[in-house]
Amino acid sequence: DTGVSQDPRHKITKRGQNVTFRCDPISEHNRLYWYRQTLGQGPEFLTYFQNEAQLEKSRLLSDRFSAERPKGSFSTLEIQRTEQGDSAMYLCASSQGTSGTNIQYFGAGTRLSVL
Amino acid sequence: AQTVTQSQPEMSVQEAETVTLSCTYDTSESDYYLFWYKQPPSRQMILVIRQEAYKQQNATENRFSVNFQKAAKSFSLKISDSQLGDAAMYFCAHQGGSEKLVFGKGTKLTVNP
Repeated sequence: DTGVSQDPRHKITKRGQNVTFRCDPISEHNRLYWYRQTLGQGPEFLTYFQNEAQLEKSRLLSDRFSAERPKGSFSTLEIQRTEQGDSAMYLCASSQGTSGTNIQYFGAGTRLSVL
Repeated sequence: AQTVTQSQPEMSVQEAETVTLSCTYDTSESDYYLFWYKQPPSRQMILVIRQEAYKQQNATENRFSVNFQKAAKSFSLKISDSQLGDAAMYFCAHQGGSEKLVFGKGTKLTVNP
């Protein structure tokens, strides 16, 4: 068990470009979450999956954002036509999803800088 | 909607001393969880302690304990015998019927040798 893994750790892109981040959850965790954290703020929820089903999306997740978890294992978060306001740390978390033990374990995050 | 407020942007403590970080929250739900997470610089968020709202007994984890006041919607974290490695951002979070965690803005804890 290597924990939640995110790739890349850092991404620098130019405004208008598309970027994709990957998250590998802890094995046997069926729930996967994406959060966004800007400087000086706590993480804000974006979306979550139970297995391959996307069950909840925040209003923060504009049409330019899309997340997938095709086989119920790893997940990708894509941002199209990036804007400077998208610069943030994107955090992934996973949980076992068992009632009463739904503790979310976080990855180290992907820091996105949009120039 | 749930909200979480951490009124102390920064706190400092001397090594081996005790410090308390404050957190208040607002929720309309009767069944929920509260968490404290620690985020060291450039490192991932780590769970410090969890409290189930239906339990009256305050949670403890070694040097970390909480003071959970459900009626006052208060959830403070006490760190005893502070160590240099405790220096980090600390986030209070609420989880209700929805799976999402709602976080406060965080408190930066400095531990002075």
